[in-house]
Amino acid sequence: GNSVTQMEGPVTLSEEAFLTINCTYTATGYPSLFWYVQYPGEGLQLLLKATKADDKGSNKGFEATYRKETTSFHLEKGSVQVSDSAVYFCALSTSNSGYALNFGKGTSLLVTP
Amino acid sequence: GAGVSQSPSNKVTEKGKDVELRCDPISGHTALYWYRQSLGQGLEFLIYFQGNSAPDKSGLPSDRFSAERTGGSVSTLTIQRTQQEDSAVYLCASSLAGTGGNTIYFGEGSWLTVV
Repeated sequence: GNSVTQMEGPVTLSEEAFLTINCTYTATGYPSLFWYVQYPGEGLQLLLKATKADDKGSNKGFEATYRKETTSFHLEKGSVQVSDSAVYFCALSTSNSGYALNFGKGTSLLVTP
Repeated sequence: GAGVSQSPSNKVTEKGKDVELRCDPISGHTALYWYRQSLGQGLEFLIYFQGNSAPDKSGLPSDRFSAERTGGSVSTLTIQRTQQEDSAVYLCASSLAGTGGNTIYFGEGSWLTVV
């Protein structure tokens, strides 16, 4: 079956620090990979995605590269801001279940001034 | 509306009562998904619809849970004889089509509390 494993939080960083949130996956077939973000009091929204190996998704200074050889999709940002404080979810979808998203458990990030 | 709309946004119900949660997807989106988000459990896939049909119901936690979609648009998730462990945020999402790489857009959720 499909599954996503991401590092447990909470992660606490100072402003301007480098961020990495690890994500690895197991999938039957060839998945598309996603990072979703949930800001406090808001709904889930797509942060970035990649649909094939070696693709890099990027948005708002965040990046993640689809690594088929290591089945990973780690999220990185060079310099975090207080406004990046949120819960980050790694997810995958395949043709099973109509491309519904399989989510990791989420990683809470707190950025302090 | 511009986004996925869910109602009610908050619902408190007594154990044993039935509840209905409604989802209005983005206009034109043929794929619709229901998820449950609870503390310690993360995001749990419940069911998806392609048009009005639900090819995969395996994620529904028990036979107290059912969902339907009519007219290829609005969907209703029904929980019968609610239990305290049903307390969670129920999220609805939709996408243009059930194909790989399509962005799935989420509603703000319906917070259900069973007392």
